[in-house]
Amino acid sequence: EDQVTQSPEALRLQEGESSSLNCSYTVSGLRGLFWYRQDPGKGPEFLFTLYSAGEEKEKERLKATLTKKESFLHITAPKPEDSATYLCARHAGNNRKLIWGLGTSLAVNP
Amino acid sequence: GAVVSQHPSRVICKSGTSVKIECRSLDFQATTMFWYRQFPKKSLMLMATSNEGSKATYEQGVEKDKFLINHASLTLSTLTVTSAHPEDSSFYICSASLTGTSYEQYFGPGTRLTVT
Repeated sequence: EDQVTQSPEALRLQEGESSSLNCSYTVSGLRGLFWYRQDPGKGPEFLFTLYSAGEEKEKERLKATLTKKESFLHITAPKPEDSATYLCARHAGNNRKLIWGLGTSLAVNP
Repeated sequence: GAVVSQHPSRVICKSGTSVKIECRSLDFQATTMFWYRQFPKKSLMLMATSNEGSKATYEQGVEKDKFLINHASLTLSTLTVTSAHPEDSSFYICSASLTGTSYEQYFGPGTRLTVT
């Protein structure tokens, strides 16, 4: 069964303290690994799509990487405004559905 | 680009009434739209997949007669919660997928439904 597992469940950082969030997935037929950011009371905001092992994408302080079994979201020198829940999802087989992880709740203290 | 709107953002209704939520893709055509439900501090739960011009595909355990989905055009899908009960109170979010081989979804801002 296709699954997406995110860790840690929650992470608290000091401003400027870099770290990484993990997303592991079952391997069969990956057609895209997606990262989203969700603020409380809002819909998820699309960040990145990764398609193949070795691929990397960056946006401001965020960099997403992909291996054959997992993806990392690296946060460099985070700021309090980076506090949010980060969701990972993978494409699910022959339709357009996504399988979602439970998310990592990130809090960045000033 | 890829902006999705949802209306209303908040709605309060009485038990037994119906409420309709609209989801629009503003700057692109969406062959497929999705409706999710999200409980506090929980991840997204897919309710149904909606394809323009055809019947929605509901996930297991989701009552299709209670949650009516219509996708009449490439830019509009609606979710109607019929005979609402307090347990239907939740955060409902729609998303839209671009046509073609890209599978990422773009989300609306969500609708907070409270049934009293």
